[in-house]
Amino acid sequence: RKEVEQDPGPFNVPEGATVAFNCTYSNSASQSFFWYRQDCRKEPKLLMSVYSSGNEDGRFTAQLNRASQYISLLIRDSKLSDSATYLCVVDSGYALNFGKGTSLLVTP
Amino acid sequence: DARVTQTPRDKVTEMGQEVTMRCQPILGHNTVFWYRQTMMQGLELLAYFRNRAPLDDSGMPKDRFSAEMPDATLATLKIQPSEPRDSAVYFCASGLGQDSYGYTFGSGTRLTVV
Repeated sequence: RKEVEQDPGPFNVPEGATVAFNCTYSNSASQSFFWYRQDCRKEPKLLMSVYSSGNEDGRFTAQLNRASQYISLLIRDSKLSDSATYLCVVDSGYALNFGKGTSLLVTP
Repeated sequence: DARVTQTPRDKVTEMGQEVTMRCQPILGHNTVFWYRQTMMQGLELLAYFRNRAPLDDSGMPKDRFSAEMPDATLATLKIQPSEPRDSAVYFCASGLGQDSYGYTFGSGTRLTVV
């Protein structure tokens, strides 16, 4: 079983829609959690860290449930420019483990 | 903006040749990762350095891959001999190794072995 699992999608949504991505991880000792965004043929870029209390950055909200070993990302009022692959990342303290990513396509 | 610099950007080589990829981490970052990305496998960890010491290279095929940090400003990943299955994008990432700060990736080296 892979350490970080994500639904690969693709998620096709219209502009303005709200979309949610989920991710589960297997190592209960994991310490830090992140969402990265990767555009086609580009490097992954940090979107936001994920805290147990939940955190929000503009249209983006991330949640962590340690008991269920589950991480989520919610995007509100989606824009065309949000089209990308979203990578769930779990830091176990000795390695960054990446999910394979969830592909999002926002259409006009 | 501070950035992680990787060279070369693209590399096409023949099977059996040696390939060396270089990474300049962000100044002051003490943690460096090497990852390989393919469509099938996604991002796979190859090697991990903290304060220039290798902490984990279990993801790296030892018979042909080697990773080093000769100094704090340079990390190298070498493949010798290269094989077609090594074709992938190789990313270097650096960070402070602290919770919640995340890591910054270089733009990658796209390797094609023919």
